[in-house]
Amino acid sequence: EDQVTQSPEALRLQEGESSSLNCSYTVSGLRGLFWYRQDPGKGPEFLFTLYSAGEEKEKERLKATLTKKESFLHITAPKPEDSATYLCAVQAGGNKLVFGAGTILRVKS
Amino acid sequence: DTGVSQNPRHKITKRGQNVTFRCDPISEHNRLYWYRQTLGQGPEFLTYFQNEAQLEKSRLLSDRFSAERPKGSFSTLEIQRTEQGDSAMYLCASSLTILDRADYGYTFGSGTRLTVV
Repeated sequence: EDQVTQSPEALRLQEGESSSLNCSYTVSGLRGLFWYRQDPGKGPEFLFTLYSAGEEKEKERLKATLTKKESFLHITAPKPEDSATYLCAVQAGGNKLVFGAGTILRVKS
Repeated sequence: DTGVSQNPRHKITKRGQNVTFRCDPISEHNRLYWYRQTLGQGPEFLTYFQNEAQLEKSRLLSDRFSAERPKGSFSTLEIQRTEQGDSAMYLCASSLTILDRADYGYTFGSGTRLTVV
C-alpha cells in the first residue's frame, strides 16, 4: 500500500533560520511527488511537482528535491508569512494523490 | 477563471439528514476529484471523474456517499443519513491531466466544512 510519512510533525523557526522538511514515501511506481501549502480553513495550494530522482524545483524561498525514497522541502531565510502546513503527496498507479499528515511550520519574527 | 469553487463553505446538519455539496472546477481542466480531510490529517481520496465518467472510488466511499458530474461540468457529492463520523472538510480539486501527468498540480477549492450534530 502506498504510504507517505512527513517529519517533523511541527517545526518552529526564527525568521531567517533556514531548515528542511522531510517526506518519506513507499510507493509502487512513482508517477509524481507533489508539495502543497495549506493555510488554516483553506484548501491546499500547489507548490511543486517532481517526477524523477535528482530533480529539483525552486520558488522564492522554497526548494524541493527528490530521491528514490524521500523528498525534502528546503526553506531558506523564512519569513512569518511562510507559516502554514506543508503537505506532501505521491501519485502512484491510478490517478489519486496519497497525502502525508503534513508539517506545521511556525516562523516567528 | 477564479479557480475551483465549492458551496456551501460550511454546513451544520443533524445526524440522519442528507446533505449535498457542489463543486465548480476550472473549466479547462479535464479531471475532478473529491477528498475528505479531518483535523491534523492530510486529505484522503474519495473519488474522481474524467469528464462525466466516474473512474475510481475509494473504499472510504460507503453506500451512503454518491457523487455525480452531469455533462462533465460541475459535480455534486451527496451524503445520505449523515453520521457524526462524517464531520470533516470535503475538498474538491481539478486538474489538467495529460498521459497521467498533472504538471501544474491539482487545484483545490476552499472546501465545505461539514459538522454533524
